[in-house]
Amino acid sequence: EAGVAQSPRYKIIEKRQSVAFWCNPISGHATLYWYQQILGQGPKLLIQFQNNGVVDDSQLPKDRFSAERLKGVDSTLKIQPAKLEDSAVYLCASSLGALAYEQYFGPGTRLTVT
Amino acid sequence: QQQVKQSPQSLIVQKGGISIINCAYENTAFDYFPWYQQFPGKGPALLIAIRPDVSEKKEGRFTISFNKSAKQFSLHIMDSQPGDSATYFCAARSGGSNYKLTFGKGTLLTVNP
Repeated sequence: EAGVAQSPRYKIIEKRQSVAFWCNPISGHATLYWYQQILGQGPKLLIQFQNNGVVDDSQLPKDRFSAERLKGVDSTLKIQPAKLEDSAVYLCASSLGALAYEQYFGPGTRLTVT
Repeated sequence: QQQVKQSPQSLIVQKGGISIINCAYENTAFDYFPWYQQFPGKGPALLIAIRPDVSEKKEGRFTISFNKSAKQFSLHIMDSQPGDSATYFCAARSGGSNYKLTFGKGTLLTVNP
């Protein structure tokens, strides 16, 4: 079974630039999550999709972050414009159902904003 | 607001020793408590989990101890091996209209050979 795929793996941008991350969840997984993991901290949920609908985006900085899940499968997370404090690893995870018993994480995208 | 407090931040154990990582929470609505293991350059992976109606769960060398009244739970790694060297995160699930995990800050475990 293929795992959660993410790209790119690394990205370096200057502040005020825009960046986009892509995630392909495990086939058949209805729930998709985007997390932000700042160095030395645990993952922080940014947004949660159930199929192609948003069920939780309470911690997403909506003035600069946006996300969509195309046709209930792939998802993109965008930051525009980026700030220095956005430097982090962005993790995508998926789970079979909405109960969040087991989330399968991708390898993450390490973003450095200079 | 940190809802799940994890300690210690880092831990060094000799091969064959016992590693113990502790977590505490405040929200009594949490109903499921998983532990995730993360190796460098990889995403976290579920290691073991427990529900609050159980005081202990064991899977191989890994055991979760749960104290509902104290709102604390811990991970014990018996006979720790160098391959166990990783970052460990405790988490807690909240329910309601949608289920989501809140993670602790993580513990970097180093097992020396």
